[in-house]
Amino acid sequence: KNQVEQSPQSLIILEGKNCTLQCNYTVSPFSNLRWYKQDTGRGPVSLTIMTFSENTKSNGRYTATLDADTKQSSLHITASQLSDSASYICVVSAEDSNYQLIWGAGTKLIIKP
Amino acid sequence: DGGITQSPKYLFRKEGQNVTLSCEQNLNHDAMYWYRQDPGQGLRLIYYSQIVNDFQKGDIAEGYSVSREKKESFPLTVTSAQKNPTAFYLCASSQGVIGNEQFFGPGTRLTVL
Repeated sequence: KNQVEQSPQSLIILEGKNCTLQCNYTVSPFSNLRWYKQDTGRGPVSLTIMTFSENTKSNGRYTATLDADTKQSSLHITASQLSDSASYICVVSAEDSNYQLIWGAGTKLIIKP
Repeated sequence: DGGITQSPKYLFRKEGQNVTLSCEQNLNHDAMYWYRQDPGQGLRLIYYSQIVNDFQKGDIAEGYSVSREKKESFPLTVTSAQKNPTAFYLCASSQGVIGNEQFFGPGTRLTVL
């Protein structure tokens, strides 16, 4: 069964600190993996997208990594800011006839001053 | 929110009533989607449409209906047959197939009283 699991479920860190969010998936055949940021009560916004051949991609202070062999991805946030408080969702696309998207439940990140 | 509007932001309805959620996009995207988001769970696909006058059921279509009479519009009706309709509903659009990057609207929070 295609699944995406994220950890931790929630995380609280102090402003200025770094953090890493994890995503494990069992999706086959794999097409691509995305990280979205979702502010409370808003729609998700795409941060990065990675295909099988890419193992790292950055978007400002956000850096995503992908290990297709172990089926793991991480999202590293550097020098966190209060505006980083949000849910971060990992989404994996399966390369089947419908390119199904499998959504993780997200990690809720809270940045404290 | 990338040119996708949803209305209203908050919606209340009594049990047994049908209600229609609006979604409009000006991105000239071919595909549009409706998702449901519940606390602690990943997004779940209700319906999607890849072309005008055609739409497909997602994972949880029971109790919902859609139409796609115009490229820009993809309204979702939550019928009285939906057993647990209280949720956050997100509309999205993408250029081309379902696997391409999806852009989300701000969402509608539906509460059944």
